[in-house]
Amino acid sequence: KAGVTQTPRYLIKTRGQQVTLSCSPISGHRSVSWYQQTPGQGLQFLFEYFSETQRNKGNFPGRFSGRQFSNSRSEMNVSTLELGDSALYLCASSLGQPPYEQYFGPGTRLTVT
Amino acid sequence: SQQGEEDPQALSIQEGENATMNCSYKTSINNLQWYRQNSGRGLVHLILIRSNEREKHSGRLRVTLDTSKKSSSLLITASRAADTASYFCATDERYNQAGTALIFGKGTTLSVSS
Repeated sequence: KAGVTQTPRYLIKTRGQQVTLSCSPISGHRSVSWYQQTPGQGLQFLFEYFSETQRNKGNFPGRFSGRQFSNSRSEMNVSTLELGDSALYLCASSLGQPPYEQYFGPGTRLTVT
Repeated sequence: SQQGEEDPQALSIQEGENATMNCSYKTSINNLQWYRQNSGRGLVHLILIRSNEREKHSGRLRVTLDTSKKSSSLLITASRAADTASYFCATDERYNQAGTALIFGKGTTLSVSS
């Protein structure tokens, strides 16, 4: 089976712009979760989508949003980018039921200047 | 919020030695998972141990879980240079809700030299 894929792998944006990141889960996986990784805060949970519905949400401002399509592919959007949004954004897929083993993609490295 | 906290933060050993990393967490869990990350890349799932299990093995990996102490340990035996990476434990914060929200610790950086 193909693994989790994320596009683009690297992105440079300017403060105030918006960005959309894409994630394709492992075939058959219905849950997609997003995480932000920074040197200061570590790995932090953003949100999880299951069957096109947001099922869990972390403590991030409303500038961070996402969606999931009927084929389980997911997109994450960040509006009005801030310098602090520079991070590695990781997508993970799972079957969506216990025990929730998650499989991660290679990540998108976002740099905000 | 940080659920798991790994100890030590950094570990340097020689090839062939064993490496032990510890993780402590705060709330009740369904299971605990360990992941490896090589130099800012994606996380690789290593092993999952359920709350009713005390020990689990996978190749050179041995994981223990002590729910009374809210702690887990990851042992890598006969380390190799390729084991050089950061290791994270992760727990599910939403104990009674459906869905996945893994809470990660800050990780242990393991360096294995030849």
